[in-house]
Amino acid sequence: GQQVMQIPQYQHVQEGEDFTTYCNSSTTLSNIQWYKQRPGGHPVFLIQLVKSGEVKKQKRLTFQFGEAKKNSSLHITATQTTDVGTYFCAGPNDGGSNYKLTFGKGTLLTVNP
Amino acid sequence: NAGVTQTPKFQVLKTGQSMTLQCAQDMNHEYMSWYRQDPGMGLRLIHYSVGAGITDQGEVPNGYNVSRSTTEDFPLRLLSAAPSQTSVYFCASSSFRGLNEGEQYFGPGTRLTVT
Repeated sequence: GQQVMQIPQYQHVQEGEDFTTYCNSSTTLSNIQWYKQRPGGHPVFLIQLVKSGEVKKQKRLTFQFGEAKKNSSLHITATQTTDVGTYFCAGPNDGGSNYKLTFGKGTLLTVNP
Repeated sequence: NAGVTQTPKFQVLKTGQSMTLQCAQDMNHEYMSWYRQDPGMGLRLIHYSVGAGITDQGEVPNGYNVSRSTTEDFPLRLLSAAPSQTSVYFCASSSFRGLNEGEQYFGPGTRLTVT
């Protein structure tokens, strides 16, 4: 079955440093979603990317979808303590609809103030 | 607008007991799903539903039943609890229409321990 791999598993940064997490799928994806989960909380939707090569920005967060639609990245510029949490990517398991999403195992980001 | 609600927040069961985790949403979403989250494993789909009366299996369905009699509610039943079902369970809902198509809204979760 489809696999979605995320690296790194953990990342510890000093406040103000940049952070990037990478997501790789074993199959071509119709779209990819990103979620953030604060410690003890629930996943919260961040964004969905659909087009090959797409780049979207949300303030200090930049999301990219690869040209081949098999990989994606999330980059945070100048991290803040509010960025702490686990970042997950997710892609449709059956190649098309989002009825069955496969989540990566996530990247836990900790920020030292 | 409460979004997605789950009850209970915490539950301890003995092996072999049964229970139902409740999930409700007030956003008129046609799609609802259940995930379990275990340390280092990410989120794994248990069951999902694309509308009232329609359910299907996800990645890890064994030991769980679901039903969808209304748009709002999607309960998850553990038939005979096992220690391997100790986990955090999240319910999520989504619409596949409109601007927020496919965006999943998660409930606060239920922490289940089976002894």
